[in-house]
Amino acid sequence: DTAVSQTPKYLVTQMGNDKSIKCEQNLGHDTMYWYKQDSKKFLKIMFSYNNKELIINETVPNRFSPKSPDKAHLNLHINSLELGDSAVYFCASSPISSGNGEQYFGPGTRLTVT
Amino acid sequence: ELKVEQNPLFLSMQEGKNYTIYCNYSTTSDRLYWYRQDPGKSLESLFVLLSNGAVKQEGRLMASLDTKARLSTLHITAAVHDLSATYFCAVAGNAGNMLTFGGGTRLMVKP
Repeated sequence: DTAVSQTPKYLVTQMGNDKSIKCEQNLGHDTMYWYKQDSKKFLKIMFSYNNKELIINETVPNRFSPKSPDKAHLNLHINSLELGDSAVYFCASSPISSGNGEQYFGPGTRLTVT
Repeated sequence: ELKVEQNPLFLSMQEGKNYTIYCNYSTTSDRLYWYRQDPGKSLESLFVLLSNGAVKQEGRLMASLDTKARLSTLHITAAVHDLSATYFCAVAGNAGNMLTFGGGTRLMVKP
């Protein structure tokens, strides 16, 4: 069973569209995250979320919003897509209340905005 | 703001050689992680370092943490081609356990 899964794996869309990427974890973790990896392979945290608190990296445009229907899911919704949003987006999860905080990453979603 | 710097960013080495990748970070933290990423793939956890002086070894890779110097190293012993990948260090900040990543070290091991 896949621990952290994302859909879709690839997403090609036009500027100005709104899209969502879904993330699910079956590890029972209480915290989930979204990261962006750009074309130069730099990884940057976007959000950290548990059932109590959403922490937003201040550099993330408000066109990006995480939505969590339940503890096992953290979806990423993006409004008014721009060319610069093209990147690979990784979801991750970790146990905070127990364990060493190690984060487990999903397979990534490659977003291409044309 | 927490900053994490890795060097080198690119490393080409011959099989059988040893080398060390360095990871410096700017503010106090006692949790540091090393990840491996193969081209087009996700990040695979290699090591979790949670205290000053921590040393972890797995096969030809050994990681260490010096929290006073704010430095972690990833040492490669007798490199083999299968180790070719990009290696990232990441440091946990206080807020929400969010990780700040270094720029990555792209390692190429040539036969």
